[in-house]
Amino acid sequence: DTGVSQNPRHKITKRGQNVTFRCDPISEHNRLYWYRQTLGQGPEFLTYFQNEAQLEKSRLLSDRFSAERPKGSFSTLEIQRTEQGDSAMYLCAIDGGSGANVLTFGAGSRLTVL
Amino acid sequence: GQQLNQSPQSMFIQEGEDVSMNCTSSSIFNTWLWYKQEPGEGPVLLIALYKAGELTSNGRLTAQFGITRKDSFLNISASIPSDVGIYFCAGTRGGGGSNYKLTFGKGTLLTVNP
Repeated sequence: DTGVSQNPRHKITKRGQNVTFRCDPISEHNRLYWYRQTLGQGPEFLTYFQNEAQLEKSRLLSDRFSAERPKGSFSTLEIQRTEQGDSAMYLCAIDGGSGANVLTFGAGSRLTVL
Repeated sequence: GQQLNQSPQSMFIQEGEDVSMNCTSSSIFNTWLWYKQEPGEGPVLLIALYKAGELTSNGRLTAQFGITRKDSFLNISASIPSDVGIYFCAGTRGGGGSNYKLTFGKGTLLTVNP
């Protein structure tokens, strides 16, 4: 148990469909992060929330992507009009847990776009 | 996006051998982290380093924060089959808020032959 629950774990969709991923931290954390990991690469930062506020977005986050954290607890990441290039593992992370400047990651949501 | 230079990309070793991998950056980091990722899971923290020159151990794992703050290495002694996985280095400039944002290497795939 990493302290971060992500659902669904796997999603297969056809190009052009919309998908939504959810991240639930087990306990309250001010900061929540989304990362994307493609095959053979390390995770790359997408966006970050401080409570409900989305404070930073990467250039990787195109306008087809939207993330929310409505009550400062769980977060959702939606991808509209999916493309094959969106196929990746989407990781949610919270700060702390094992020391300063440390992120604790969930198990991820793997997206396959056909 | 920016990624750290991590080497080697992959290693195939015999059980009982020692392993060494390293990570370099063109930028200075205030924190170096080493994560391990197994198939279908998110990265799990192994070691966190906070001071230049710091040498930290976690069981059979030893990691060092380079003096220049631009590099780090991870050693695994007496490898065992469960060490198999992808090892990632990650750096952050630390502080609060988005400074928790991590920059990752591309990973070192470790295979241990029993």
